[in-house]
Amino acid sequence: NAGVMQNPRHLVRRRGQEARLRCSPMKGHSHVYWYRQLPEEGLKFMVYLQKENIIDESGMPKERFSAEFPKEGPSILRIQQVVRGDSAAYFCASSPRGLAGVADTQYFGPGTRLTVL
Amino acid sequence: DAKTTQPNSMESNEEEPVHLPCNHSTISGTDYIHWYRQLPSQGPEYVIHGLTSNVNNRMASLAIAEDRKSSTLILHRATLRDAAVYYCILRVNRDDKIIFGKGTRLHILP
Repeated sequence: NAGVMQNPRHLVRRRGQEARLRCSPMKGHSHVYWYRQLPEEGLKFMVYLQKENIIDESGMPKERFSAEFPKEGPSILRIQQVVRGDSAAYFCASSPRGLAGVADTQYFGPGTRLTVL
Repeated sequence: DAKTTQPNSMESNEEEPVHLPCNHSTISGTDYIHWYRQLPSQGPEYVIHGLTSNVNNRMASLAIAEDRKSSTLILHRATLRDAAVYYCILRVNRDDKIIFGKGTRLHILP
C-alpha cells in the first residue's frame, strides 16, 4: 500500500507566479489535510478536506490560497501570486474515517518544498 | 485549545532508553494523547497514542499518569535513526486537525 504521495518534491517560483502542489492520499483514505512549516518553525494546520468538500479552512490565509479535493484525482493546494514569505515546506496528510468521534491517525507525505525567488 | 509542554531538547546515548516527558495539565476527559515525530527533511510520522492506559507498540511505549496530566514516551533502545523532533499532541474528540507545538528535539549520541 503506497503511502501519501506529494509532488513536486521541490518547487521554485518567482514572485507573482502561481504554485500548484499535489497530494494523493493513501488508498482508501478520503480525508486530506494540508500543513505548512516555515523554516525553523513547527507545522501549522491550513485546511481539511473530504472528497469535494472543504471541512475546515481556519488555518488558510484568506487571500491567494485555495484548496480542492475533487471526486477524481489528487488534492491540490494552489497559491496565486506567490511572495517570498510563502517559501516553506507544505505537507499533506490523509486519514481514513474510523470510529465516529475518535481522532484518527494521520499519515503524512514527504512534503513539497516551495522556494520563492 | 488543550496545550502541551515539552522540553525544547534532550540528549541520549545510542542503545540506551529515552524518556520524553510531556505535561498536559488542562487535558479533558475525551482527549487522546498522540505522539508524532519528524525526522530531518521528512514529514511527521505517527508514533503512538493512548487515552488512559499505558500503550506499547513496535516503535515505543506510552506511559500515562493516573491523573492524565502528564505522559512519557519511552524509546526502549535509541538508535541514531531516532534523532528527530518529537511532538506530544492532544487530539480533541471530534476535532480533526492536529495542533503541533514546538516539540522536543532529540539528539542521539553515538
